[in-house]
Amino acid sequence: GENVEQHPSTLSVQEGDSAVIKCTYSDSASNYFPWYKQELGKRPQLIIDIRSNVGEKKDQRIAVTLNKTAKHFSLHITETQPEDSAVYFCAASIGDSGYSTLTFGKGTMLLVSP
Amino acid sequence: ETGVTQTPRHLVMGMTNKKSLKCEQHLGHNAMYWYKQSAKKPLELMFVYNFKEQTENNSVPSRFSPECPNSSHLFLHLHTLQPEDSALYLCASSQTQDRGTGEQYFGPGTRLTVT
Repeated sequence: GENVEQHPSTLSVQEGDSAVIKCTYSDSASNYFPWYKQELGKRPQLIIDIRSNVGEKKDQRIAVTLNKTAKHFSLHITETQPEDSAVYFCAASIGDSGYSTLTFGKGTMLLVSP
Repeated sequence: ETGVTQTPRHLVMGMTNKKSLKCEQHLGHNAMYWYKQSAKKPLELMFVYNFKEQTENNSVPSRFSPECPNSSHLFLHLHTLQPEDSALYLCASSQTQDRGTGEQYFGPGTRLTVT
């Protein structure tokens, strides 16, 4: 089955800096890669996703890149703010069954200091 | 938020108890999921229901028994649990679509403690 590795496990940055979180996956058939943000005591929420037919996607301060050859994808957050502090999870899915069976990474705790 | 709700939010049970977790989605989705979230571990998919039919069971012990009476409701029946089953149990739903790339919407979770 699919295996997703995520690094780093914790990341501390100063407000205004950029943050990068990296994930690798094992199954070349995976074609959907979402990123979820989970604030303390709250539910995971989708912040951005990318499908295998594109290499990069941006949404304001957040961007995701995908390298299918190397089987890795990354989350980039620019101009970080204290409210970006949360745990971020990457996931990969083989979307061949009509529903998304996600395999998650272990998560990265991002701490943004004012 | 009322998209996906879960009850109870917190549950403490002994190893010999029987209890049930409930999940309800108001989004018109037709796929529902149970996940287990433990400290320092990735979110672990337990069960998937697609149009009320169970389509995934990720080697979950039989002390966890899911039930999906319709596309809007999902239950997780618990009996004779172990302390290591203590975790946050998250329900999610999604709209099935071509190539299975539907966003999953999570409920707030049930924090389960087994004593």
